[in-house]
Amino acid sequence: GAGVSQSPRYKVAKRGQDVALRCDPISGHVSLFWYQQALGQGPEFLTYFQNEAQLDKSGLPSDRFFAERPEGSVSTLKIQRTQQEDSAVYLCASSTRLAGGIRHEQFFGPGTRLTVL
Amino acid sequence: AQSVTQPDIHITVSEGASLELRCNYSYGATPYLFWYVQSPGQGLQLLLKYFSGDTLVQGIKGFEAEFKRSQSSFNLRKPSVHWSDAAEYFCAVVGEDGQGGKLIFGQGTELSVKP
Repeated sequence: GAGVSQSPRYKVAKRGQDVALRCDPISGHVSLFWYQQALGQGPEFLTYFQNEAQLDKSGLPSDRFFAERPEGSVSTLKIQRTQQEDSAVYLCASSTRLAGGIRHEQFFGPGTRLTVL
Repeated sequence: AQSVTQPDIHITVSEGASLELRCNYSYGATPYLFWYVQSPGQGLQLLLKYFSGDTLVQGIKGFEAEFKRSQSSFNLRKPSVHWSDAAEYFCAVVGEDGQGGKLIFGQGTELSVKP
């Protein structure tokens, strides 16, 4: 089946604008993760959903960042009042999860490259 | 707190030569370790993973990695590099304080392959 898809692939925003980034996980995957990858760095965890429940949002850098997954499938990462330091690639990943299933592979989407001018 | 260190930011090897990418981790318990590869404009692809058992794990594309607890290392190796292996490689560990298996990544090693 199809892999994880993300849209848009590229987004240019003016400083102060709000943006919304979409992630379509693999069908049936209950776990969904968002990561932020700055230029020349490894991905950094932002937040995690199990179905529609946001179980961990410890990585969100500020209250301008908000994520949701209302029906337990598609997820949206919203950034309000974007700043230049928000420029990065935002990666989404999904995985199946059983009880204690941290061993399950995360499948990554191609990412959304956000540039804030 | 857990962390992953990849000491080499950039490595260049000749095609056909052997490769070793270094990864050191800091972790309190038994780590779950991964190597991912990222090609330009692509998402991360899992090469291999270690959870327990045999400390030498085999992955896709001819890669292998060895877990050494005494050295807190999980180095990635390939006996003969192909030009298509040029990419960014990330070592990662599952965070022990988070739910669901969030990954903590190293900074990455960029691999260039000379013809």
